[in-house]
Amino acid sequence: DSGVTQTPKHLITATGQRVTLRCSPRSGDLSVYWYQQSLDQGLQFLIQYYNGEERAKGNILERFSAQQFPDLHSELNLSSLELGDSALYFCASSDGWGSTGELFFGEGSRLTVL
Amino acid sequence: GESVGLHLPTLSVQEGDNSIINCAYSNSASDYFIWYKQESGKGPQFIIDIRSNMDKRQGQRVTVLLNKTVKHLSLQIAATQPGDSAVYFCAENIDTDKLIFGTGTRLQVFP
Repeated sequence: DSGVTQTPKHLITATGQRVTLRCSPRSGDLSVYWYQQSLDQGLQFLIQYYNGEERAKGNILERFSAQQFPDLHSELNLSSLELGDSALYFCASSDGWGSTGELFFGEGSRLTVL
Repeated sequence: GESVGLHLPTLSVQEGDNSIINCAYSNSASDYFIWYKQESGKGPQFIIDIRSNMDKRQGQRVTVLLNKTVKHLSLQIAATQPGDSAVYFCAENIDTDKLIFGTGTRLQVFP
């Protein structure tokens, strides 16, 4: 158990819809990272937050947004969903500012868009 | 969190043999590298890391080798066990902002 909790574990929705994925980091970790894992892309970095502020941005679509709340949990919002958004979405946390050091990953949220 | 179905290169080894998983990284400015292991149904798990001022680092049954000249990273697993079966990802740190993962290699251990 990494200590990172993601909900929901599975989500099935239709194209055009909007979903919210939630992540609770390990106790004491200030950084939260979101990754997308799809069949043909491997693990793609989406975005990182540190103590409530956006720290780094990767290949995150404009239809996607995220935030980190004062209690340090984070949400990833995916809107106007397309079939290609079907993937595993992982949250990871760390106690550091940068991306060195160990990231602790949750077990992922599997999104299926029909 | 399973990665079954990913179209990955596969390495098949016999139990007890040594495994070598290779990775080519993209950015010559990367200064930190990590290997992660992802078992079926789980998220990636840290194995070992190495900084660019080193060319070798050893852990328990694992060794990471870094060749900066050709931008190549390898993970060696000694005495491979069935529990080592998983997908292995290398990752590089770019500008201390982003940890970029490679596409992964599936390791299959057979008796």
